[in-house]
Amino acid sequence: QVTLKESGPALVKPTQTLTLTCTFSGFSLSTSGMRVSWIRQPPGKALEWLARIDWDDDKFYSTSLKTRLTISKDTSKNQVVLTMTNMDPVDTATYYCARTYSSGWSGMDVWGQGTTVTVSS
Amino acid sequence: QSALTQPASVSGSPGQSITISCTGTSSDVGGYNYVSWYQQHPGKAPKLMIYEVSNRPSGVSNRFSGSKSGNTASLTISGLQAEDEADYYCSSYTSSSTVIFGGGTKVTVL
Repeated sequence: QVTLKESGPALVKPTQTLTLTCTFSGFSLSTSGMRVSWIRQPPGKALEWLARIDWDDDKFYSTSLKTRLTISKDTSKNQVVLTMTNMDPVDTATYYCARTYSSGWSGMDVWGQGTTVTVSS
Repeated sequence: QSALTQPASVSGSPGQSITISCTGTSSDVGGYNYVSWYQQHPGKAPKLMIYEVSNRPSGVSNRFSGSKSGNTASLTISGLQAEDEADYYCSSYTSSSTVIFGGGTKVTVL
């Protein structure tokens, strides 16, 4: 059974750096075609894709946020980490990680439950 | 890059069919067959319903179907059921090697 679970601080202050961890089971990120993305959703708003890391360590970032994002993986721990610098109240959202297992840019077939992050002083 | 354009809401009676549109550009929807659709119930994580324009993951009802014409993709739900009431999001790969989502469509079963 494939599962993903997000973890990180529930509250961060403006200008701080957010570090989120996605811990997964049921698959290996060293398997060809395996990919993990981060997506966020502000309260009452639409989904926004943030970043993706592939089995071969290729990394892709949202054009508008790439200067603030870093994605990395620890295959031995089955974890993907996302850092976002210079947090602002507009970054308040539920953050999800999700898996894609395919060639290219197919759909994200398994999602974590999400973790809520509030940015406030 | 602007979000893909979806209608804010669509409604239908039980048993009817409804279609949700998702309009982009030739740099995303129109340029690639990497359109996906997600269903999201309140307080829940999104669920993949359609991938690569028209493919259904295992376990998704065949009442859900996807298609694409030019820069517009569509999700059709046939035989509408109460459990289909949810938010639906389209997404597409883009020429910038990113993913873009639509603004979401609230489906109401009357």
